[in-house]
Amino acid sequence: EVKLLQSAAELKKPGESLKISCEASGYRFTDDWIGWVRQMPGKGLEWVSMIYPSDSDARYSPSFQGRLTISADRSTNTAYLQWRSLEASDTALYYCVRPIYSRGYYFDRWGQGTLVVVSS
Amino acid sequence: DIQMTQSPSSLSASAGDRVTINCRASENIRVYLSWYRQRPGEAPDLLIFDAATLETGVSSRFSGSGSGTDFTLTISPLQYEDFATYYCQQTYTTPITFGQGTRLDMK
Repeated sequence: EVKLLQSAAELKKPGESLKISCEASGYRFTDDWIGWVRQMPGKGLEWVSMIYPSDSDARYSPSFQGRLTISADRSTNTAYLQWRSLEASDTALYYCVRPIYSRGYYFDRWGQGTLVVVSS
Repeated sequence: DIQMTQSPSSLSASAGDRVTINCRASENIRVYLSWYRQRPGEAPDLLIFDAATLETGVSSRFSGSGSGTDFTLTISPLQYEDFATYYCQQTYTTPITFGQGTRLDMK
């Protein structure tokens, strides 16, 4: 069974750094992309980024490019999303997703979500 | 970016009803469209991809149609677990974009 297990909720102050994780299991990690979707409080879904662990090819939404970094560790089957300097506007629920290619990339598996709260 | 617009933004229905949710793309996306259901407090679930292909394990009460710029998700008959928010998503090009969501409430 494919599972995406995400790290626990985080409470951070503006300007702090953060790295959240997503451990994949039940499939060959290097065969598929893995990515992130943001959901701000009471709002809809926004695609953030995705990475192909086999060669670390990474794609970003222009809305998030430069603000965060996606990475993947093939030895632990884990994907990461990292911020160098958090802002209050980063407060959201972040879902780990597995993009599957058919006609474009749809997300067939979702993690349980990691809540990130940035507040002074 | 391709803009996805869903209608209505919310609707009320009863168990057993047939409901239709619409999704319009700002440009031609052929059949590169998926639908998701998000129950309160849960992660979204994939329902349909490639506009009309039912994801494995998803009930046949769900069906999708459309191509180009106009798409439809139909649920019939509604069951209690279907009262949720529904999102369409274009997979034609990056950045991947979602509709704003349609909230389906119990009447």
